[in-house]
Amino acid sequence: AQSVTQLGSHVSVSEGALVLLRCNYSSSVPPYLFWYVQYPNQGLQLLLKYTSAATLVKGINGFEAEFKKSETSFHLTKPSAHMSDAAEYFCAVSENFGNEKLTFGTGTRLTIIP
Amino acid sequence: EPEVTQTPSHQVTQMGQEVILRCVPISNHLYFYWYRQILGQKVEFLVSFYNNEISEKSEIFDDQFSVERPDGSNFTLKIRSTKLEDSAMYFCASRATRGVVDTQYFGPGTRLTVL
Repeated sequence: AQSVTQLGSHVSVSEGALVLLRCNYSSSVPPYLFWYVQYPNQGLQLLLKYTSAATLVKGINGFEAEFKKSETSFHLTKPSAHMSDAAEYFCAVSENFGNEKLTFGTGTRLTIIP
Repeated sequence: EPEVTQTPSHQVTQMGQEVILRCVPISNHLYFYWYRQILGQKVEFLVSFYNNEISEKSEIFDDQFSVERPDGSNFTLKIRSTKLEDSAMYFCASRATRGVVDTQYFGPGTRLTVL
């Protein structure tokens, strides 16, 4: 069975500071990993995904994530936070081809302090 | 840019009543999903649907739930007799092709409140 743990349900950073949102996964097979963002009153939007190619994945809005198999982690980072980054962020895992459902973490609400 | 749409945005119903949540997936997509998120909890997979049949369902998706693609554009989730614990945000998603590398696109959700 696959699972995702997001450490920190709420994270606050100052505008311009580094954003680090943590995600650890558990999977019995090589995983595919995703970060989704949810802005207020909107659906889930894909930020980036890891699908066994490059371990450092770049996404939209300046976000990136690094797959570390030894640490079973897929943390999301952004060098400089912007006010528009305030949202809920979800890490998700899916096992390899044939098991298509996404298993989500509990989400991290990111607040940006002016 | 094509997007998944869902109606209504908010549905309030009495316990025991039937509800139908509607989704319009992206037009060339072939795979469809329902997820739900109970307030304060994680997003949970309910069901996946392909070629007019369910391809996978979770333990949550019991006999009270059903899905249908009635007309080639809509994708619906029906709850036959709602319970208080069905109160949640329900998300529809669609994907173009088989394979995890292809992205699931999510709709904005329907907030279901069961009184």
